[in-house]
Amino acid sequence: QQQVKQSPQSLIVQKGGISIINCAYENTAFDYFPWYQQFPGKGPALLIAIRPDVSEKKEGRFTISFNKSAKQFSLHIMDSQPGDSATYFCAAQKGGSARQLTFGSGTQLTVLP
Amino acid sequence: DGGITQSPKYLFRKEGQNVTLSCEQNLNHDAMYWYRQDPGQGLRLIYYSQIVNDFQKGDIAEGYSVSREKKESFPLTVTSAQKNPTAFYLCARSIQPGQGSEQYFGPGTRLTVT
Repeated sequence: QQQVKQSPQSLIVQKGGISIINCAYENTAFDYFPWYQQFPGKGPALLIAIRPDVSEKKEGRFTISFNKSAKQFSLHIMDSQPGDSATYFCAAQKGGSARQLTFGSGTQLTVLP
Repeated sequence: DGGITQSPKYLFRKEGQNVTLSCEQNLNHDAMYWYRQDPGQGLRLIYYSQIVNDFQKGDIAEGYSVSREKKESFPLTVTSAQKNPTAFYLCARSIQPGQGSEQYFGPGTRLTVT
């Protein structure tokens, strides 16, 4: 059962453009939603995260938009750069002591120079 | 690398052999996790540990075993019972479940079994 659905699978954007990656979740027990960036052969790096009590969080060129009623959240990368080319994963974490992460399937972003 | 050391970076084994992957952290964090990543897929949780001498199965624990004898170390053994062991294995740490929710990943170990 895929609890976090991520789209698109791949995305190609011109330099300076906006990259948008979407995720949808099913379990309303999720209470923390991070995004990770992964370069080939490396471990994922925490990029930005949001809790459901806010609708938007911005850090530099990266913004998370969160729609609790629709159970959807998205990552926006403004002024996309070739160095942003990587695989991006959304994730969701349930409340409770274990704090396990459930990951989306990933989006491979390519930013053309 | 998220305050985590994983070694080796690449590991090759013959089918039928057990192999142990190392994960060490030096930040005195309580919680540690093992994930498996297959090409084109997201990460899936194998095992996690919130305190020393205690660990819990994740979603895909079959064919794997772990130990947590020290706070800083959480080794993963891929046993011969794991049907498809070739994958990228990632270890993560978290300050303490329920408080800091952020998980930080190590550089990973790529295991190839032939």
